[in-house]
Amino acid sequence: DAKTTQPNSMESNEEEPVHLPCNHSTISGTDYIHWYRQLPSQGPEYVIHGLTSNVNNRMASLAIAEDRKSSTLILHRATLRDAAVYYCILRGAMYSGGGADGLTFGKGTHLIIQP
Amino acid sequence: EPEVTQTPSHQVTQMGQEVILRCVPISNHLYFYWYRQILGQKVEFLVSFYNNEISEKSEIFDDQFSVERPDGSNFTLKIRSTKLEDSAMYFCASSRQGWNQPQHFGDGTRLSIL
Repeated sequence: DAKTTQPNSMESNEEEPVHLPCNHSTISGTDYIHWYRQLPSQGPEYVIHGLTSNVNNRMASLAIAEDRKSSTLILHRATLRDAAVYYCILRGAMYSGGGADGLTFGKGTHLIIQP
Repeated sequence: EPEVTQTPSHQVTQMGQEVILRCVPISNHLYFYWYRQILGQKVEFLVSFYNNEISEKSEIFDDQFSVERPDGSNFTLKIRSTKLEDSAMYFCASSRQGWNQPQHFGDGTRLSIL
C-alpha cells in the first residue's frame, strides 16, 4: 500500500478553520484518498474521500493537489467536539475477493482544539 | 442514523479461555470487518468477511481467531485460547459495498486478559 505522512499533532482554536495536511508522494493513479477520525474512547469514524477533485460534505472539505501527491482536510469551523486523531488513508481501486479490503491506519494527526 | 453495535463494552477473561465478541452491523451492509487497537497503538486490521466467507485477513489473524455470521444480523469474533497480548479494543465495522465505500465502526469491546 502507498504510504501517507501526517504531522503528529496540531493545535487550533475553537471556531477557527483547521487545515490538516497529508503527503502521499507515491500515490498511484487509481488510489482514493480517505479520511477517518477517532474521537477519544470511540471507534474510527469516516469523514470524507476523493480521487482528484475537491470534495465537500457536511463534516469537512477535502482539497487534493493537482499532482495528487498531497491533500488537505479542512474543518471550516472547529468545535471542541472535533478534537480527535485524524487519519489519511489511501485505498486502491483493484482488489480480489469481492473488494472487502481492510483499512491501513497510520498514527494520524492528533488535533487539539483550544477553547 | 443506523449504527454498528458491539457487545459487551468490556470483557474480562482469564488467559487460556475462549471469548466471543459480538457485533450487529448496519442492516443493509454486505461487508464486515474486525480491527483491534492495543492501548496507545495504531488501529490494526484483522479480517474482512463477505458472502459468508473470509475475504482478506492480516498476519495477526492466526488459527486462534475465527469469525462467523451465525444468523442474518450478528457477526462474531472468537478467540479460542486467549493470551495476555490479546488485551486490546476490538472494533467491528461494516460497509454497504466493498473497497471504496466508507466503513462504519462500532465503539468497540475492551478485552482484558488476566
